[in-house]
Amino acid sequence: AQRVTQPEKLLSVFKGAPVELKCNYSYSGSPELFWYVQYSRQRLQLLLRHISRESIKGFTADLNKGETSFHLKKPFAQEEDSAMYYCALRPQTGANNLFFGTGTRLTVIP
Amino acid sequence: DAGVTQSPTHLIKTRGQHVTLRCSPISGHKSVSWYQQVLGQGPQFIFQYYEKEERGRGNFPDRFSARQFPNYSSELNVNALLLGDSALYLCASSGAQGEKLFFGSGTQLSVL
Repeated sequence: AQRVTQPEKLLSVFKGAPVELKCNYSYSGSPELFWYVQYSRQRLQLLLRHISRESIKGFTADLNKGETSFHLKKPFAQEEDSAMYYCALRPQTGANNLFFGTGTRLTVIP
Repeated sequence: DAGVTQSPTHLIKTRGQHVTLRCSPISGHKSVSWYQQVLGQGPQFIFQYYEKEERGRGNFPDRFSARQFPNYSSELNVNALLLGDSALYLCASSGAQGEKLFFGSGTQLSVL
């Protein structure tokens, strides 16, 4: 069965410091991985997906199939990055059944 | 563009009652998915509908049902409510299967 694990419920970093939000998954096939973000009083929204291999708002994430990880990274945190971050897995291409982790609340300290 | 709209925003019910939650997708989107988010957890997949047909079902009891209408709006129905059904119910739409999901603000259901 598929499972997404985000080991940190809370993460605090200082402005300008590097950020890494961890995500590990278990799935026997080839999943599609996503990071979703929810800023205060806003809707859950897609931040990035692994197949796009793009950088959004300075964030990147690389799918490591050997370690079954999809960690989210940013070299220099900004105050506006403070939000709830969810890692999600889609088990089969074309379906919309995402499996979410429990989320990590990132706080960037000025 | 109003985005995905859900109604009502908040709802209070008692155990054993029935509830209907509504979702209007972004104009032009044909796929609607429903998720349940319990406090402190990530969203959990309930249903997906595409072109008015059920395309996916999560691990939820038969008390949960849904449908999609010709205008692509959707309803989620929950019968015989339990205290454990208290959660934020999220609706998400996409243009087609596998495309980017756009989430609504959710309906906060409290079962007393």
